[in-house]
Amino acid sequence: DAKTTQPTSMDCAEGRAANLPCNHSTISGNEYVYWYRQIHSQGPQYIIHGLKNNETNEMASLIITEDRKSSTLILPHATLRDTAVYYCIVRVGDKLIFGTGTRLQVFP
Amino acid sequence: AAGVIQSPRHLIKEKRETATLKCYPIPRHDTVYWYQQGPGQDPQFLISFYEKMQSDKGSIPDRFSAQQFSDYHSELNMSSLELGDSALYFCASSWGHGDNEQFFGPGTRLTVL
Repeated sequence: DAKTTQPTSMDCAEGRAANLPCNHSTISGNEYVYWYRQIHSQGPQYIIHGLKNNETNEMASLIITEDRKSSTLILPHATLRDTAVYYCIVRVGDKLIFGTGTRLQVFP
Repeated sequence: AAGVIQSPRHLIKEKRETATLKCYPIPRHDTVYWYQQGPGQDPQFLISFYEKMQSDKGSIPDRFSAQQFSDYHSELNMSSLELGDSALYFCASSWGHGDNEQFFGPGTRLTVL
């Protein structure tokens, strides 16, 4: 079973920041939080991951609360091509356990 | 940059037939993972291999088997195919074992008639 809960869908205007929340209240101390996205039926695309510190890369920023029970993925300047299903995942061993994800729609 | 290669990209089989899906990881990646995504569903972990040994196992049916070869490519063998096996099958690869990110291939779409 997925260890994360996310909103089913969100909208974002092009050029604005998209903030995608995720709850993972049962996460264990050594389990990482991963974010992937899937555009249509393509292979899931890795975005970012972290353990307890905030992380940033060329795609996004990941903000993890101090108690590690929730996190937020931030796409700083959303484009139309960012429209996708975004999965917040707690990795258990080798398994990426996908939940239902958030369908992000970026509109002009 | 080189990505994960999966073949074939599309496969159509009849019930009770067998199928073999192949995965070629990113160069220098030694770990491969298999996921199944049914229609309208989210990807589900099947099995993984690290250095040619099975590393972790998920909800993989007994009719399925997989292995990783000396060149690190992997094959997923599926026998006695059922209609419910129709799905996208993704392979992912990573360097090393542990919490390194998994990079996914484009998938194989299997249709069982």
